[in-house]
Amino acid sequence: DTGVSQDPRHKITKRGQNVTFRCDPISEHNRLYWYRQTLGQGPEFLTYFQNEAQLEKSRLLSDRFSAERPKGSFSTLEIQRTEQGDSAMYLCASSLREDEQFFGPGTRLTVL
Amino acid sequence: SQQGEEDPQALSIQEGENATMNCSYKTSINNLQWYRQNSGRGLVHLILIRSNEREKHSGRLRVTLDTSKKSSSLLITASRAADTASYFCATPLWGSGGSNYKLTFGKGTLLTVNP
Repeated sequence: DTGVSQDPRHKITKRGQNVTFRCDPISEHNRLYWYRQTLGQGPEFLTYFQNEAQLEKSRLLSDRFSAERPKGSFSTLEIQRTEQGDSAMYLCASSLREDEQFFGPGTRLTVL
Repeated sequence: SQQGEEDPQALSIQEGENATMNCSYKTSINNLQWYRQNSGRGLVHLILIRSNEREKHSGRLRVTLDTSKKSSSLLITASRAADTASYFCATPLWGSGGSNYKLTFGKGTLLTVNP
């Protein structure tokens, strides 16, 4: 247990539905990251927050994706109008410095 | 884009043997990190080696870095069944804000340690 928690751990949804994931980072960590991992691949960067500011978004993050980090604490990642191609493991990580990142257990999304 | 690439893609060994995994990357880095991922779980940070270091040890782990060849290796000595996992190298990429705040990962090496 790294201290980063994610909820839910698993989500099964039908195509076209909206889903929201939550990440609770280690409390003193001001940096928070979202990654997506598909089967057989390494994690791919989606977006990054420093405190409450979203400083970068990957081109992987289409208009259907939105992430927030109100008050610089927990973060949410919402996917609207889900597609089968969104099926993946969504990983959250936090860090205090620009090196080691602490990852949560991930949320596995299955879109039917 | 994926910066690092691990080799081999899969490795199967017997308990007690050593396991070596390699990572090659493309651009200049200031550090390189290795992570472990058990099946269906999150990633666990193993070790970080900075660009001015050539070798680093942590328990049964030994990491080397050759910046001239843009490569790194992870050696796990006296492997155990519990070491069965995917191993990823990760390198930071500099963002537009001037700080390297995102990691890029390879596809990983799947290590299987047979009891």
